[in-house]
Formats: sequence, structure tokens, C-alpha cells
Amino acid sequence: GQNIDQPTEMTATEGAIVQINCTYQTSGFNGLFWYQQHAGEAPTFLSYNVLDGLEEKGRFSSFLSRSKGYSYLLLKELQMKDSASYLCAVRDDTNAGKSTFGDGTTLTVKP
Amino acid sequence: DAEITQSPRHKITETGRQVTLACHQTWNHNNMFWYRQDLGHGLRLIHYSYGVQDTNKGEVSDGYSVSRSNTEDLPLTLESAASSQTSVYFCASSRDYNEQFFGPGTRLTVL
Repeated sequence: GQNIDQPTEMTATEGAIVQINCTYQTSGFNGLFWYQQHAGEAPTFLSYNVLDGLEEKGRFSSFLSRSKGYSYLLLKELQMKDSASYLCAVRDDTNAGKSTFGDGTTLTVKP
Repeated sequence: DAEITQSPRHKITETGRQVTLACHQTWNHNNMFWYRQDLGHGLRLIHYSYGVQDTNKGEVSDGYSVSRSNTEDLPLTLESAASSQTSVYFCASSRDYNEQFFGPGTRLTVL
């Protein structure tokens, strides 16, 4: 079966750095995605990792270790608008685009 | 601009009725997906399609069906709506192995 674990909730202060972890045990692996979802809205794509290491995109970075089944999303210089749910998704179909999503981490940024 | 739309955005129906939710994308993506999202949960895959005439069951497919007669549309049908199917439904599309683009969602209430 597929198992993707993320913390349910996190709180951080505006201007700070926060790391959201994701561990996975899936029958297949062909890449890991992070999505952001604001309350009442659709998820939007943030980052993608298929090889080990760090991918940086502005204030957001994502790290992957395939041997450990582990990824994290790093958010720097937190802003109030970063308050949202962050979804980790593993593409577990080696032949095409199907992904399995974790339950998401709700991040609250406080002033 | 290319987009993905869902209709209706809100639907209230009664137990036992057949309901069809529409999903239309203009990106010419080969992959299309239907998810449901319940409070406190991530996205759970209902059905997906990798191309015209191709459909596959996801992890929560019981009580739902889809058909893919063209590239742009993947309608989701609830054969006999049940209260347990009250949820927010998201449609998504992607090209090959790339990130998914999500529609705005349909909030379905089954009374």
C-alpha cells in the first residue's frame, strides 16, 4: 500500500524559516511534488524533485532523499500569505502521471 | 489562456439521485484525474485517465464512474448519490509526467 506522512499542523512567525517534512513508503517512485492549497481554493504546484538533493525556487526549497523515503519543503522569510495547507505527493506510477497525496500540513503564520 | 474548469461549482442533491460533475481542460493534456477532499484529509483519487477511451479506478472508486470520449473532458458520475459522497471534488490534468493543474472544485452536498 501507499503511505505518506506529514505533520498535521505547524505554526511559525512572520519572517522566520519553517521546514515541513514528508516521509513516504510507496510501491513505486518516480518523483515527488509539493503543492500549496489556500483555504477554499484549489491546490497549486510549488516544486518537484526526482533526484536526491535540494531544488531552490525563490523563498521555497525542496529536498529529497530517495534512500530514506524523505522530503522536506523549506519556506524562508515567511509571509502572512504563506498560511495554507502544503501537500506532499508521490508519483507512484512509473509509466505515467498518477500521484498519491499525503493529508497535508496546515501552516499558520503569525505576526 | 489555457485553463481547467468545473461545473457546477456547488450542487445540492438528494440520496439516490444520479449526479454528473463536469471537467473541461483546454491545455490538451493527456492525463486527467478526479479527487475528493474531505475535512482533515488530503486528496483521494477516484478515477483517472491517461488518454481518450482510457479510464482507471483510483483508491475510492466505488459508486463513481467516468468516461473519456475526447481529450478535453472527463465527466464524473455518481450513479446513486449517498450522504457519504458529500465532499469537495477536484478535477486535475497534466501532461505526461509533469505537475497537475487543478480546477476550482465542486462542492457537493447529498441530503
